[in-house]
Amino acid sequence: LAKTTQPISMDSYEGQEVNITCSHNNIATNDYITWYQQFPSQGPRFIIQGYKTKVTNEVASLFIPADRKSSTLSLPRVSLSDTAVYYCLVGPPTGANNLFFGTGTRLTVIP
Amino acid sequence: EPEVTQTPSHQVTQMGQEVILRCVPISNHLYFYWYRQILGQKVEFLVSFYNNEISEKSEIFDDQFSVERPDGSNFTLKIRSTKLEDSAMYFCASRDRSTAREAFFGQGTRLTVV
Repeated sequence: LAKTTQPISMDSYEGQEVNITCSHNNIATNDYITWYQQFPSQGPRFIIQGYKTKVTNEVASLFIPADRKSSTLSLPRVSLSDTAVYYCLVGPPTGANNLFFGTGTRLTVIP
Repeated sequence: EPEVTQTPSHQVTQMGQEVILRCVPISNHLYFYWYRQILGQKVEFLVSFYNNEISEKSEIFDDQFSVERPDGSNFTLKIRSTKLEDSAMYFCASRDRSTAREAFFGQGTRLTVV
C-alpha cells in the first residue's frame, strides 16, 4: 500500500482558497487517489477521487501532476463549516478496496 | 439519499460483557466494512466483508471480534468480551461495485466500556 504524508494541521480564514497537499511517492500504476472529509463525531465522507490531471466536482478540485507522486485537494472559498479533518488515501479501485486512513490534515477555518 | 444507519448511537457496557453493534448498509451495496476510531486518533480499519465472508481483517480484529450478515440487510460486529481499550467510535461503511473507492459511512456507534 502506498504511504501518504499530509500536513498535520492548517488554518485558513473564511473565504480563502485552501490547498492541502498529499505526498504518495510509491503510488502504484493502478492506484487511485481519494480524499475524505470527517467532521467531529461523524463518519468520514467521500469528497473526490482521481487518477491523473485534474478532477472537479461541486465540492472541491483535485490536482494530480504527471508523476502522480503527490496530489493537491483544493477547497474554494472555505467557510466555517469546512472545519474538519481531511484524509488522502491511495489504493486500487477494484476488489474489496479497503480504505486505510492516515492521520489526515486538521483544517481550522477562522472567521 | 440512501444512507448507512448504525444502532445504537451510544452504548455503555461493563468490561467482559459482549456487545453487538448493528449496521444497515445501503441496499444494493456489495462490500461492507467496520472501522474504529479511538478518541483523538485516526480511523482504523478492522474488517471487510464480501460475498458472505471476510475479505480482509486487521491485526486489531482478533478472536474477540466477529462479523455477520444474518439476513439481507443487517451487518453486525460482535465483541465477545469487551476490554477498556475497546472504547471507541465504531463506523460501518458500504460500497457498491461501481464506485471504486467511494465508501459510504454510517454515523457511528460510540462504545464506552467501564
